Amino acid sequence: GDSVTQMEGPVTLSEEAFLTINCTYTATGYPSLFWYVQYPGEGLQLLLKATKADDKGSNKGFEATYRKETTSFHLEKGSVQVSDSAVYFCAHAGGTSYGKLTFGQGTILTVHP
Amino acid sequence: NAGVTQTPKFQVLKTGQSMTLQCAQDMNHNSMYWYRQDPGMGLRLIYYSASEGTTDKGEVPNGYNVSRLNKREFSLRLESAAPSQTSVYFCASSEPFRQNSYEQYFGPGTRLTVT
Repeated sequence: GDSVTQMEGPVTLSEEAFLTINCTYTATGYPSLFWYVQYPGEGLQLLLKATKADDKGSNKGFEATYRKETTSFHLEKGSVQVSDSAVYFCAHAGGTSYGKLTFGQGTILTVHP
Repeated sequence: NAGVTQTPKFQVLKTGQSMTLQCAQDMNHNSMYWYRQDPGMGLRLIYYSASEGTTDKGEVPNGYNVSRLNKREFSLRLESAAPSQTSVYFCASSEPFRQNSYEQYFGPGTRLTVT
């Protein structure tokens, strides 16, 4: 069935370090892919998305590329800030789960000054 | 533009009590969803409503009921609360009938504790 697997956390980095959070998925067809971010005490916010193979989503310095051949959508940022500390969720939609999102388990990121 | 709103923000129930979580969206979206979030388990879909007048079970529907009151509102009811339903509940909406618009918009959540 449809699933999303994220790298296990938590991830702890120093400010200005490079960030990668891995995400792979299984799905029928070619789903849209998303990264959501959840700041402490808040709901999820859409961070970026990609709707077809080789698309690159980007926002606030974060990037992720839709890789159909490896069924991956890894999140990257060149220089993290303390304010990036949050939980990050990878998700996909489409395929057989029309309209519904399948989420990964989330990765907790903590950035220290 | 408020987006997705949820009430209440916090609630404490005793085992066996009932309550209804309210959700409303002002984005004219057709589809609405209820999730629960538990530590280490990501978000799990409880129920969803693809369009006004329809509701379907998600991954973890047991112990819950829903009502799609109109296009704007989608409520979640716990008839007899159990400690296993202690969680954070999120409502979301989306417009999947628009091409390449599967993203969902989330409310701020309701933190429920059942003692």
